[in-house]
Amino acid sequence: NAGVTQTPKFQVLKTGQSMTLQCAQDMNHEYMSWYRQDPGMGLRLIHYSVGAGITDQGEVPNGYNVSRSTTEDFPLRLLSAAPSQTSVYFCASSAQGANTEAFFGQGTRLTVV
Amino acid sequence: GEDVEQSLFLSVREGDSSVINCTYTDSSSTYLYWYKQEPGAGLQLLTYIFSNMDMKQDQRLTVLLNKKDKHLSLRIADTQTGDSAIYFCAESMYSSASKIIFGSGTRLSIRP
Repeated sequence: NAGVTQTPKFQVLKTGQSMTLQCAQDMNHEYMSWYRQDPGMGLRLIHYSVGAGITDQGEVPNGYNVSRSTTEDFPLRLLSAAPSQTSVYFCASSAQGANTEAFFGQGTRLTVV
Repeated sequence: GEDVEQSLFLSVREGDSSVINCTYTDSSSTYLYWYKQEPGAGLQLLTYIFSNMDMKQDQRLTVLLNKKDKHLSLRIADTQTGDSAIYFCAESMYSSASKIIFGSGTRLSIRP
């Protein structure tokens, strides 16, 4: 199994550009989330989804949009990139229910210049 | 709001025990986690403990939870060079990926 796959691994954007970070999981997990990791700040939740068609905001949602049209995919969209969005982005998924583990992708390193 | 705090750095000698400490504020947390992140990699779940437990041991790893003080610790026995990584403490009301609150991470370095 591939697990959680994020693409691209690296990206450089100019301020104001838009792009979509892709996340796909092949484990039929209901729950998926996007986090950003900044130095000295751990991971912060951007958006999450508890199932297809359902999304909600996390701790730092401004500047990001998400959608969940299928169980497998949870893309993160930056509509107008800003230097403050320079970060490493992680996607995670887990099954519904107790005692389930969250699986993380390898991360996307985004630089906005 | 919820907050998870941990020190940023820890240096130990190879073969010694490492103890990484964490405090959290949300008394309703049900699951407390320790994740490991190696350079350039994603996060790997090391272990987790339910809030109704005091201790959990898994090979070289021992997790202690003091719910009264909201204090969590991870002890790594016989620390090896392969244990060099950033260790994240995290807490959640649920076991899913939907809402995990992470600490800032403790960078563990091993000296010979």
